[in-house]
Order: sequence, then structure tokens, then C-alpha cells
Amino acid sequence: DSGVTQTPKHLITATGQRVTLRCSPRSGDLSVYWYQQSLDQGLQFLIQYYNGEERAKGNILERFSAQQFPDLHSELNLSSLELGDSALYFCASSVNPGETQYFGPGTRLLVL
Amino acid sequence: DQQVKQNSPSLSVQEGRISILNCDYTNSMFDYFLWYKKYPAEGPTFLISISSIKDKNEDGRFTVFLNKSAKHLSLHIVPSQPGDSAVYFCAASALGTGANNLFFGTGTRLTVIP
Repeated sequence: DSGVTQTPKHLITATGQRVTLRCSPRSGDLSVYWYQQSLDQGLQFLIQYYNGEERAKGNILERFSAQQFPDLHSELNLSSLELGDSALYFCASSVNPGETQYFGPGTRLLVL
Repeated sequence: DQQVKQNSPSLSVQEGRISILNCDYTNSMFDYFLWYKKYPAEGPTFLISISSIKDKNEDGRFTVFLNKSAKHLSLHIVPSQPGDSAVYFCAASALGTGANNLFFGTGTRLTVIP
């Protein structure tokens, strides 16, 4: 158990819908990262927050957004969902940016 | 531009033998390197890391070697066990420059044959 929690574990929705994925980092970790993994491919970095502020952006679509709250938990919002958004979404946390990241168990999103 | 590369998508090894997973990087500013292990439908699990001031770090059956001049690192697993069958990702960071993130390779699927 990495100490990073993600909810929900599974999510099934329809095209055009909007969903919110939630992540609670390890206690003491200030940095949160979101990744997407599609069809056994590599980890695609989406976005990073550090102590409430956006710190780095990766291959994140404009339909996707995220935020980190004062209690350091983070939410990833996916809107106007398409079939191709079906993937595993992982959250990771670290004490400081660039350091060892600890991953949550992921949310499996299926868009029908 | 893939700054961290794992050129072997898969590797099969007999139980009890050595598994060697390789990783190359292009950014000379990288100074911190990690290996993660991932089972299907689970999050990656941190395995072992190495700082650029060292060329070897060992933790039980796992040893990571770093060759800075060649921009190459490898993970050795000895002896390999069936439970080691998973996808292994290497990752790198430039901590010395205040880097924000880890750069991940595309992964190598290790299969340990009983």
C-alpha cells in the first residue's frame, strides 16, 4: 500500500459525459501528479500540482482539467468524454517535485 | 521527444537466472533515476533508485547500475522469480535543476518462466 488513495476504482460512463476522479496523496506529500495509461501503453504524464498550484503540464487535453485543494487532495475532471478516453488514470504523489513518486491503485475509466 | 528509452518491450528469463533490464536517456541534466514495477490493473510500485553520484545501488535481489558516460542504466534481478513477472519502467529526473517531474520510459514486460 503506497498510501495514495484514488476513487472511484472503476467508472463506466457514456460519450459526452463528464466525470471527476479523486486522489488523496500520501501524508506529508505536497506534490500530486496525474497520468493516463491506455491499452497497456506507457504512462502519459498529464499534469502536476505542488501545494495547490499547477506546476507542470504534459499531454493533457483541453477537455481535461485538474486542481489541488487546500487539504492537498486533487481532482481530475474529464469532460465531453470520447471512446478514446477509456484508460487507467493514475495519481502519484511526492514530497517535493522531481522526487520519488508513489502511485495510487488507479481509476479504470470505460467510456461506452 | 522520448528522453528516457527502454528499447526492449519484452524479456523472458528462466526462474533462478538473472534478469537484466536496460534503459537509456538523452538528457545529460538527469541526476536521479528510478525503477518501478507494475502489475496489470495496479499502480506502479517504486522499486529502487540511484543518484548520479553513485554507479551502483543494491537492495536485496535488485541492483541498479548507472553508466553516466553512456547515459545508460540497468536493473539486475538475481535470482529471478515468477512473481517478478511484471512491466518495469525506468524513470529519470533532473533534481539539480529544480525539475518538476519524472520522465518515464515505455516499459519492458518481464516474464519469468518457472
